[in-house]
Amino acid sequence: DQQVKQNSPSLSVQEGRISILNCDYTNSMFDYFLWYKKYPAEGPTFLISISSIKDKNEDGRFTVFLNKSAKHLSLHIVPSQPGDSAVYFCAASATSGGSNYKLTFGKGTLLTVNP
Amino acid sequence: AAGVIQSPRHLIKEKRETATLKCYPIPRHDTVYWYQQGPGQDPQFLISFYEKMQSDKGSIPDRFSAQQFSDYHSELNMSSLELGDSALYFCASSARQGLVPSFGQGTRLTVV
Repeated sequence: DQQVKQNSPSLSVQEGRISILNCDYTNSMFDYFLWYKKYPAEGPTFLISISSIKDKNEDGRFTVFLNKSAKHLSLHIVPSQPGDSAVYFCAASATSGGSNYKLTFGKGTLLTVNP
Repeated sequence: AAGVIQSPRHLIKEKRETATLKCYPIPRHDTVYWYQQGPGQDPQFLISFYEKMQSDKGSIPDRFSAQQFSDYHSELNMSSLELGDSALYFCASSARQGLVPSFGQGTRLTVV
C-alpha cells in the first residue's frame, strides 16, 4: 500500500521553463511534507518542506504547494536549470502522537532539464 | 559542515554471510534512522533510535538487528544474507527527533 505516490516516473523540461513535480498521499495523519533531491551514488538531500498548517512555502526558485483537501502537493522549480536534473522524492511524516518523524517516501520522479 | 557518515560505501557479501553497516550521525544529532532502497524502489523505513533506545520499527526483517551506541553512532547488523537484501542502505540523523533528517551517502550492499 503506497501511502505517498509520485505517479510520474520521469519529467523532461527545457532550461528556463517551469518544472512541476506532483505528489499525492493517502494517510490523513501526515502533517509534514518534504522534498528531497537525489543524485546518483549520493544520499537524498533536503530541498524544501511544508507543514499542513500552510498551503505554500517558497525558497528561492523552489515553491511547494499543499492542497490538504485533495491530499496533493506539488513542487515548482522556476526557472529550471540543468543542474536541477536529479531524482526528486516526496516524503511525508506524521508529527503528532510521538511517531518520531519517520519518513514515508514516494517512488521518486526523475527530472531532466535540457539545455 | 559535517554530514552523516556511512561506512563502508560499498560491500559485497555472499549468501548466508553477515554484514555490518555503520552510521555516524551529524554531531549533536541524537536520532538515527535506517532506510533500505531496493533497485528502482523508494526508500523504505527500517528502524530508528532516539537517545540510544529503539524508537520505531518498520519493515525490518528478523534477520536484521540494529543498535545505537553511547557516542550516538549506529550499526545495522544483517545475518543470513539473501540475494534480495541487495540494496542501498541509507542512514539519516536529526536532532531531538527533528522534522528534517539529513541523509548519509548510503552503503551499497550486493549479495552474490
